[in-house]
Amino acid sequence: DQQVKQNSPSLSVQEGRISILNCDYTNSMFDYFLWYKKYPAEGPTFLISISSIKDKNEDGRFTVFLNKSAKHLSLHIVPSQPGDSAVYFCAAAPTSGTYKYIFGTGTRLKVLA
Amino acid sequence: KAGVTQTPRYLIKTRGQQVTLSCSPISGHRSVSWYQQTPGQGLQFLFEYFSETQRNKGNFPGRFSGRQFSNSRSEMNVSTLELGDSALYLCASRGDSRRNTEAFFGQGTRLTVV
Repeated sequence: DQQVKQNSPSLSVQEGRISILNCDYTNSMFDYFLWYKKYPAEGPTFLISISSIKDKNEDGRFTVFLNKSAKHLSLHIVPSQPGDSAVYFCAAAPTSGTYKYIFGTGTRLKVLA
Repeated sequence: KAGVTQTPRYLIKTRGQQVTLSCSPISGHRSVSWYQQTPGQGLQFLFEYFSETQRNKGNFPGRFSGRQFSNSRSEMNVSTLELGDSALYLCASRGDSRRNTEAFFGQGTRLTVV
């Protein structure tokens, strides 16, 4: 059972436009969410996180939105740049005191110059 | 500050053999987690160690084990390798001073079982 889902395996966006990556989760016990970016042959790089007490967190070109009632989060990248082309993973952490992340299967973003 | 270091980067093993992977966390980080990444499956949690104790374990068979040393370095062992164990194995460390903190990943070890 996939508790964290990224239903779009790929996304193409023109340079300068907005990229929106989506993530849905099923477990209401998740209270901390993260986005990672991954290039081939490298480990995931942390981008941005959000706690369930917030509904938005911004860091430069990256904004994460959390809709707890819909169990949905999204990552907005504005403006998109060719260097943003990578696989993006969302991850969720539960409140149960464990420290494991549950990852989605990733969305491959391609930013076209 | 050095990042998370994993060795070796690449490994080829034969079915039935065993393998040990190593991870050195960021200096000062005491929490180390291991993940397996396979195509189409995303990252699957294997286990997490903190101060030499396993705090949590994922849904993997007992062939997968790990340990952490007093200097926070961690090793992961897979015995009786199967073809399906071919994957990218990632290690992540975190400072753990607060519960909601991000983990930092190493570059991974690419294991191929033939």
